[in-house]
This record gives sequence, C-alpha cells and structure tokens, in this order.
Amino acid sequence: AQSVTQLDSHVSVSEGTPVLLRCNYSSSYSPSLFWYVQHPNKGLQLLLKYTSAATLVKGINGFEAEFKKSETSFHLTKPSAHMSDAAEYFCVVIPSGTYKYIFGTGTRLKVLA
Amino acid sequence: DSGVTQTPKHLITATGQRVTLRCSPRSGDLSVYWYQQSLDQGLQFLIQYYNGEERAKGNILERFSAQQFPDLHSELNLSSLELGDSALYFCASSISGKINEQFFGPGTRLTVL
Repeated sequence: AQSVTQLDSHVSVSEGTPVLLRCNYSSSYSPSLFWYVQHPNKGLQLLLKYTSAATLVKGINGFEAEFKKSETSFHLTKPSAHMSDAAEYFCVVIPSGTYKYIFGTGTRLKVLA
Repeated sequence: DSGVTQTPKHLITATGQRVTLRCSPRSGDLSVYWYQQSLDQGLQFLIQYYNGEERAKGNILERFSAQQFPDLHSELNLSSLELGDSALYFCASSISGKINEQFFGPGTRLTVL
C-alpha cells in the first residue's frame, strides 16, 4: 500500500532561520505529491503541489519543495521562517492511477521569537 | 476563505445518537470529499462523491453514510455514535474527480459524550 511518512512530529525554529520539514513516500510510479498547511482552528490550505512537471516546486508564502525520486522524498523548505508560519503541515501523496489523498501524520512547526 | 462551508461548527451529542453534518462545496466544484481528523488516527479519507455519485471510499465505517444532492451539497450521516467518533470532520471540494487541488472547509468538531 502506498504511504507517506513525515519524519518529524514537531519542529522548532527561530524566526528568520531556515525551515525544513521532511516527507518520504513509498515508491509508486509517478505519484502526485502535495503539501498542505493547517493553522489552528482552520481548514487545510494548499501550499504547493508536484504533478510530474518540474522537480522543484514553488508554493505560496515563500515555501518550496523538491521532488527527489531517487530518495523518494518531497521535503518542504523555506529560507526564513516567520511567526505566521507556525502551524501544522501535512504531506499528501496521491498514488498513480487513483484520486485518493493519503495524508502524512503531520509536522507541527513552532517559530520562536 | 476557501469557499467551502460546513455546518454546524460544533456538535455535542451522546453515545448512540445520530447526527448529520452538512457541506456546501465551492461554486462550480463537482466533487466533494469527507475526511476525519482525530488525535490517534490523524487525517483519514472517508468518502468522495462526484456529481451526485459515489466515486471512492476510504476508511468509512458502516455506521457512517453520505450523499451528494442535485444542488451538489453533501451530507455525512453518523449513527450509533461512539466515544471514539469524536473528531474534526472536514469536507473538501474540487472541480473534478481527478487530481486537482482540494479546497477544505473549516470543519465540524464533533464531541460524543
């Protein structure tokens, strides 16, 4: 079965420092991969998506992610964290041939002043 | 604001009862998805409807059912409620049933006492 693993349940960074949220997926031919963000008491919002075009994907709010097939990874990065980035982030894989979203367990990002 | 609305925002009920959660998709979206988010299970896909017909099923219990009406709004019915059904229930919508961005509603928080 297809799956996605978010390696860190919690990440803390200082404001202005880089953010790295890790995501690995089980191998599938050309999966689609998304990152969503969930702010407290809000629904989920799409940050960015990979659908077999460019491997480096730019999203909203300065986030980007790189699809690395050899490492089966799709890590989310941002050069400089802002207080407003504090939220929970979900990596999502959509296995090839299906339309089902499979969510990772989430990474809670804390940004310290 | 994603354009997806869910009612009610909060629901408190007792074990054994039945509740109905309602979702209105974004204007023009034909697909509706239901998800359950709980602390122990994370975010889980329950069911998808496309233009009134069931398209895909996930980890939906037999006590739960859903439907999508001709005006495209959807309802999720939960019956014989158990304590473990306490969770945040999200509805999402997308333009088609294919791999598109899903837009999430703010969720309905269900508490079963």
